[in-house]
Amino acid sequence: GAVVSQHPSWVICKSGTSVKIECRSLDFQATTMFWYRQFPKQSLMLMATSNEGSKATYEQGVEKDKFLINHASLTLSTLTVTSAHPEDSSFYICSAPPQGLPNSPLHFGNGTRLTVT
Amino acid sequence: QKEVEQNSGPLSVPEGAIASLNCTYSDRGSQSFFWYRQYSGKSPELIMSIYSNGDKEDGRFTAQLNKASQYVSLLIRDSQPSDSATYLCAVLNSGYSTLTFGKGTMLLVSP
Repeated sequence: GAVVSQHPSWVICKSGTSVKIECRSLDFQATTMFWYRQFPKQSLMLMATSNEGSKATYEQGVEKDKFLINHASLTLSTLTVTSAHPEDSSFYICSAPPQGLPNSPLHFGNGTRLTVT
Repeated sequence: QKEVEQNSGPLSVPEGAIASLNCTYSDRGSQSFFWYRQYSGKSPELIMSIYSNGDKEDGRFTAQLNKASQYVSLLIRDSQPSDSATYLCAVLNSGYSTLTFGKGTMLLVSP
């Protein structure tokens, strides 16, 4: 149980285009989802917290107008990288805690490898 | 700023040996601690969680927690080449449910 599905697994796009990444909780409801980014040989850095039915909370230094987050339902959060540039190339991973168990470990999606050319 | 520190490694051990991975954290109010394993190009997978001081064993893995020293460790007994990966220490931040990750320790187990 507690599976998080992320799509696509990898995407290559041209500079200036936008890319949407989907994160779904398959067998549980996720009122909160977290979006992380990981550059090569670096740790996971929290970008933003996605809250169902309300605005996302962004970490310091993350541009909310560039990384658009929508959490329209209890099972789906999306991250859109707008006007992507090569420096946005990274591994993006979503995660969610089991509903009602905020201190439980996060379940991670399989990640999306974004390459901007 | 909440920090989680790990030695980046690589930590090299021969097959069958015990691998010891260490982690320190700055948020004294943290109550939940996790070890994740991450293979190259893959998403992290949970290995162990620990919430109380002392040891917690699960198969070949033992997590140790010392809240007074703000220290968490992971021991891997009978290390296997398939254990070669980066091990991430994660601390649940007090007050809200976000995780802070360490940079990870790369473990290399040689046959």
